[in-house]
Amino acid sequence: EAQVTQNPRYLITVTGKKLTVTCSQNMNHEYMSWYRQDPGLGLRQIYYSMNVEVTDKGDVPEGYKVSRKEKRNFPLILESPSPNQTSLYFCASSTLGGPGSYEQYFGPGTRLTVT
Amino acid sequence: DAKTTQPTSMDCAEGRAANLPCNHSTISGNEYVYWYRQIHSQGPQYIIHGLKNNETNEMASLIITEDRKSSTLILPHATLRDTAVYYCIVRIVSFGNEKLTFGTGTRLTIIP
Repeated sequence: EAQVTQNPRYLITVTGKKLTVTCSQNMNHEYMSWYRQDPGLGLRQIYYSMNVEVTDKGDVPEGYKVSRKEKRNFPLILESPSPNQTSLYFCASSTLGGPGSYEQYFGPGTRLTVT
Repeated sequence: DAKTTQPTSMDCAEGRAANLPCNHSTISGNEYVYWYRQIHSQGPQYIIHGLKNNETNEMASLIITEDRKSSTLILPHATLRDTAVYYCIVRIVSFGNEKLTFGTGTRLTIIP
C-alpha cells in the first residue's frame, strides 16, 4: 500500500530539547516536503527536497532543519524547540514534475506541543 | 500561483450531490486546478485535478468553465464520510518545488 508514515504522531516536549520527527515514503518519490498547519493560517511549507541531498527552504524554515540522505526518508529536526513551534506537522511526497506530480501523498500528521 | 476563492462553509444532505464552487479568475493558461480535502486534522487527500476539460474519477467530477475562471467539484452521492474541508488549488506543473498553497477551503458538512 502506498503510504507516507510519520513518527511520532503525538509529542509533548519542553523548550530547548532537541527532537526529530521522522517521515518515510514507500513510493520511490523524488519530492518530499514538510508543512505545518496552524489555526487561521492554513498549511505552510517549511522545507522541501527534490532528491537525495537536495533540500531547500519553504515559506517558514526558521527553527527547523531537514536532511535527505536516503530517498525514502525526510526527517524534520527541531534543534531547540520553542512554544511557537507548537503545531500540526505534515510530511508529503510526490513524483517530481510532469503529470505524475499532481497527486501529493500526505502523512497522518504529528501533533507537537512545546511547553 | 493564482488566487482562489471558495465559500467558507456548505451543507449537503446525505445521498445528494454536493457541488463545491471555486473562483480562480486570474488563472493562467498553464495552471491546473486541483482539489484536495482534509478530514478532521488528517493529512490532506488528493481528489482530482484538471486543466480545461471536465474530469471524472471514482471520487468526484470536476467541471471547469470554458473561460477557466471558475470550477465546481461534484461529489455525486455524498456520504457522512465526505464531511471535510475541501481545498481548491491552482498551480502550474513544473520540475521544481511542488508546493501546494492551501487557502481556507470550504467546510462541507453532510447532514444525515
